[in-house]
Amino acid sequence: NAGVTQTPKFQVLKTGQSMTLQCAQDMNHNSMYWYRQDPGMGLRLIYYSASEGTTDKGEVPNGYNVSRLNKREFSLRLESAAPSQTSVYFCASSSGPGYQETQYFGPGTRLLVL
Amino acid sequence: AQKITQTQPGMFVQEKEAVTLDCTYDTSDPSYGLFWYKQPSSGEMIFLIYQGSYDQQNATEGRYSLNFQKARKSANLVISASQLGDSAMYFCAMRGTNTGNQFYFGTGTSLTVIP
Repeated sequence: NAGVTQTPKFQVLKTGQSMTLQCAQDMNHNSMYWYRQDPGMGLRLIYYSASEGTTDKGEVPNGYNVSRLNKREFSLRLESAAPSQTSVYFCASSSGPGYQETQYFGPGTRLLVL
Repeated sequence: AQKITQTQPGMFVQEKEAVTLDCTYDTSDPSYGLFWYKQPSSGEMIFLIYQGSYDQQNATEGRYSLNFQKARKSANLVISASQLGDSAMYFCAMRGTNTGNQFYFGTGTSLTVIP
């Protein structure tokens, strides 16, 4: 039982390059989330998927796209990376969207855009 | 709109002492949940404790307890008998009925436990 896994752990991109961050959970959770963490700003929600087949924008969606591939997997794509997207990216999941549902996080992906 | 405020960027505590990390929140949601997470230097986010807005008792999990004062909109984390391994960033977060899919995080408090 691995919980939430993310790949890659670390990535360096050049401005304009594209990449996809992968996330998978084995807890049979319905809801999945992508966050970015920047120094001094806490975690900010990029996109979320309340259930399989749905996705919605969070607080900072510009420059990103997501795909909920199936119940287990939720990917985040940067089509044309910019230095402002240098950050640590966390994927999370919860059993549902209720206010009492805890979110469980993956180990994070450190992305550097040059 | 939801807002979480953590006003202590850094805290120090002597090993074996108790420490309180402050968190205040603002919400118009009738029901909401408050969460605390720990982020050690290795980077992962570890769930510590949860408090529901209608819970009558303060939540406790081992050495962690949540001092919930609803009228003051505060949800402070108390760590008893601090250990060196408690040195980490601590984040307060909130989730509400009307914004259930959005977790709102504070900016965190860095805790250093001194031997």
